[in-house]
Amino acid sequence: GQNIDQPTEMTATEGAIVQINCTYQTSGFNGLFWYQQHAGEAPTFLSYNVLDGLEEKGRFSSFLSRSKGYSYLLLKELQMKDSASYLCAVRDQWGAAGNKLTFGGGTRVLVKP
Amino acid sequence: GAVVSQHPSWVICKSGTSVKIECRSLDFQATTMFWYRQFPKQSLMLMATSNEGSKATYEQGVEKDKFLINHASLTLSTLTVTSAHPEDSSFYICSATSNNATNEKLFFGSGTQLSVL
Repeated sequence: GQNIDQPTEMTATEGAIVQINCTYQTSGFNGLFWYQQHAGEAPTFLSYNVLDGLEEKGRFSSFLSRSKGYSYLLLKELQMKDSASYLCAVRDQWGAAGNKLTFGGGTRVLVKP
Repeated sequence: GAVVSQHPSWVICKSGTSVKIECRSLDFQATTMFWYRQFPKQSLMLMATSNEGSKATYEQGVEKDKFLINHASLTLSTLTVTSAHPEDSSFYICSATSNNATNEKLFFGSGTQLSVL
């Protein structure tokens, strides 16, 4: 089966850095995604990794190690608006049907002043 | 970028009634759509995969006779919650992709909050 683990909650201070870890065990692997979701809203895409290494997009970076089944999302220069849930998701197939994602439980990040 | 429209955004209904939720891809042809359900403070759980012109594929534990999915065109999939009960109250989200999707994103609708009284 598919198993994706991430911490339930994290708290950080405005302006600081927070790292959200995600470990996965899936039958196949065709990319790992990070989404941000505010309460009552749909997820919004943050990052995508399919090869090992670090992908940087502004204040957000994501890292992947396929051999370890591990990824992290790094949020820098935290802002109050970054308080949200962050979802790690794995795609395990190719093709249109492979765009089915399996999500982790999500990590609620609370940014304090 | 690609846009997926979901309607309605929220619905309140009486127990025993049926509710239909629509998911439309506005600027691309969605050969495949996915329906997710999300309970409060939990993550998204895939309910079913909807393929245009064929029967939906349901995940284990999801009742296909209760959650009817129709994907009659390349731009529209519908989810009907039949004989809704309070335990069906949840946030339902659709997502869409095309056969030619080479980008890495899955496009999500805005979600439907269903409350069954």
